[in-house]
Amino acid sequence: GDSVTQMEGPVTLSEEAFLTINCTYTATGYPSLFWYVQYPGEGLQLLLKATKADDKGSNKGFEATYRKETTSFHLEKGSVQVSDSAVYFCALSGNFGNEKLTFGTGTRLTIIP
Amino acid sequence: NAGVTQTPKFQVLKTGQSMTLQCAQDMNHNSMYWYRQDPGMGLRLIYYSASEGTTDKGEVPNGYNVSRLNKREFSLRLESAAPSQTSVYFCASSEALNRANYGYTFGSGTRLTVV
Repeated sequence: GDSVTQMEGPVTLSEEAFLTINCTYTATGYPSLFWYVQYPGEGLQLLLKATKADDKGSNKGFEATYRKETTSFHLEKGSVQVSDSAVYFCALSGNFGNEKLTFGTGTRLTIIP
Repeated sequence: NAGVTQTPKFQVLKTGQSMTLQCAQDMNHNSMYWYRQDPGMGLRLIYYSASEGTTDKGEVPNGYNVSRLNKREFSLRLESAAPSQTSVYFCASSEALNRANYGYTFGSGTRLTVV
């Protein structure tokens, strides 16, 4: 079945550092890919998405590119802030009856001033 | 704009007690979902409802029941709580089952502890 493998955390970075959180997937067909973010004490929020190969999703300075050749959707940000501290989830929505979201295990990110 | 509202936010149960977690959405979404979130395991789907009047099992349905009361409300019931059901529970909704690429809207969660 469909699955998502995420970089294990926790990840701790200094403010203004470059961020990469790796995500790879296994799915049949052409899934849609997502990054969700969960701030402390809150539910998940959609951060960005890409629905076809080579699409780049972007929001709040975060970017991820849908790479079908490497089945990857890595999350990047050029300069992180303390307010980016959260748990990040990679997810996919498959095709042909497998449209429900499948989530990775989440990566906890802490940014220190 | 309330979105998805879950109650209660926190609950402590004794083993064997029962309770119902409530969820309501005001976005006129057709599909609703219950997930549990456990450390190191991400979110796992318990049950979902593709549309009013239908419910289906997800990845981890054992020990739970659900009711899609109407288009707005989707409740999750624990008939006889066990310590293994200690978790954070999230309700979510989407426009339709095959519209996940429009994104899910999540509630803020219920933190349940079973002692």
